[in-house]
Amino acid sequence: AQKITQTQPGMFVQEKEAVTLDCTYDTSDPSYGLFWYKQPSSGEMIFLIYQGSYDQQNATEGRYSLNFQKARKSANLVISASQLGDSAMYFCAMREPGTFGNEKLTFGTGTRLTIIP
Amino acid sequence: GAGVSQSPSNKVTEKGKDVELRCDPISGHTALYWYRQSLGQGLEFLIYFQGNSAPDKSGLPSDRFSAERTGGSVSTLTIQRTQQEDSAVYLCASRSYRGLGLGNEQFFGPGTRLTVL
Repeated sequence: AQKITQTQPGMFVQEKEAVTLDCTYDTSDPSYGLFWYKQPSSGEMIFLIYQGSYDQQNATEGRYSLNFQKARKSANLVISASQLGDSAMYFCAMREPGTFGNEKLTFGTGTRLTIIP
Repeated sequence: GAGVSQSPSNKVTEKGKDVELRCDPISGHTALYWYRQSLGQGLEFLIYFQGNSAPDKSGLPSDRFSAERTGGSVSTLTIQRTQQEDSAVYLCASRSYRGLGLGNEQFFGPGTRLTVL
């Protein structure tokens, strides 16, 4: 069974600083995908970034980058130049290939990030 | 285009009553998922639809839970004889399929907050 671990329940970061949110995963399947989602207080899950297990380069999307270390089974999210609007819950999730095209996600417990002005 | 919508946004019900939660996915998205988010259990997968079929119902916690999808679009999650432990936020997500190895990320709705008194 797959498993996602986020060890930081909460983090406080000064505005404009970079922040790294940790995520480790466990799977026996060589083909998998890793996602990061942001959940503001409004409740909606917002997709941030994706990393496939066969991708050669670390994914980047604007201020978001993913530090993918396959041998260590870690997929940490890096947010550069943090902003007040980055305050939210952040979830790491993994997708394994399944039958019938099922790509259900398994989520970690999340990290609550608070940006301090 | 519009995102995933869910209704109602909030539902308060008495123990033992039946409830129906609705999800309108993004137009053209063939895959639809229901997840549940609760304090004790985090984010859990409930059911996956491909078109109108549900090849994976493995996350439904009991036979009081059922779901259907019609016209390859709208989905309804029904909880019969609600219990207090059913109190949670029920999230719906949909996705298209852009290709093998691509993210094929899921787009989430705002959720329905269910409170069982």
